[in-house]
Amino acid sequence: ELKVEQNPLFLSMQEGKNYTIYCNYSTTSDRLYWYRQDPGKSLESLFVLLSNGAVKQEGRLMASLDTKARLSTLHITAAVHDLSATYFCAGPRGNQFYFGTGTSLTVIP
Amino acid sequence: EPEVTQTPSHQVTQMGQEVILRCVPISNHLYFYWYRQILGQKVEFLVSFYNNEISEKSEIFDDQFSVERPDGSNFTLKIRSTKLEDSAMYFCASSPGTASYNEQFFGPGTRLTVL
Repeated sequence: ELKVEQNPLFLSMQEGKNYTIYCNYSTTSDRLYWYRQDPGKSLESLFVLLSNGAVKQEGRLMASLDTKARLSTLHITAAVHDLSATYFCAGPRGNQFYFGTGTSLTVIP
Repeated sequence: EPEVTQTPSHQVTQMGQEVILRCVPISNHLYFYWYRQILGQKVEFLVSFYNNEISEKSEIFDDQFSVERPDGSNFTLKIRSTKLEDSAMYFCASSPGTASYNEQFFGPGTRLTVL
């Protein structure tokens, strides 16, 4: 089993500010996925991180993976209201994905 | 762009009734999955399916649950006798290869409400 923990669980931040969401996982995994979920909606793929040291950026979001530390981060730069959503990281083990607890992000004007 | 589709989007049923949730995975994908998400909680794995067989299942996937690929396109999840605690969003996903090395693509979900 792969245990995946995220923190914080809830994040309220002002527009324009920066923040980082952390995703720790329990055993070695050389890939990690980030998803966004809006209320009542499905999981939208944000980033696929495939190797140690991988860094990907899309707009105001940047994700990185450190397989040695078993840590992935999702960094938000100059937050805007449209980024309000729940963010999940997920790691594969066997033939399933293990999801983190999710981080509910609210960006306040 | 190909996508996973699910029907119905919302299903309301009485406790003890059988429900079938339907999914059409992406056409050239070989692995299919069901996950569920109870309101406000994380996404939990139920079952994976490959080559017309279950390849992995979680503790949640007990004898009340079954999966089937009745034809070349549909992938179904049946809950035999629904309980109140089965109320959740159910997501179907598919991937071209095993989850260890391939991204999973998720459908829009079916919200199941058991009364």
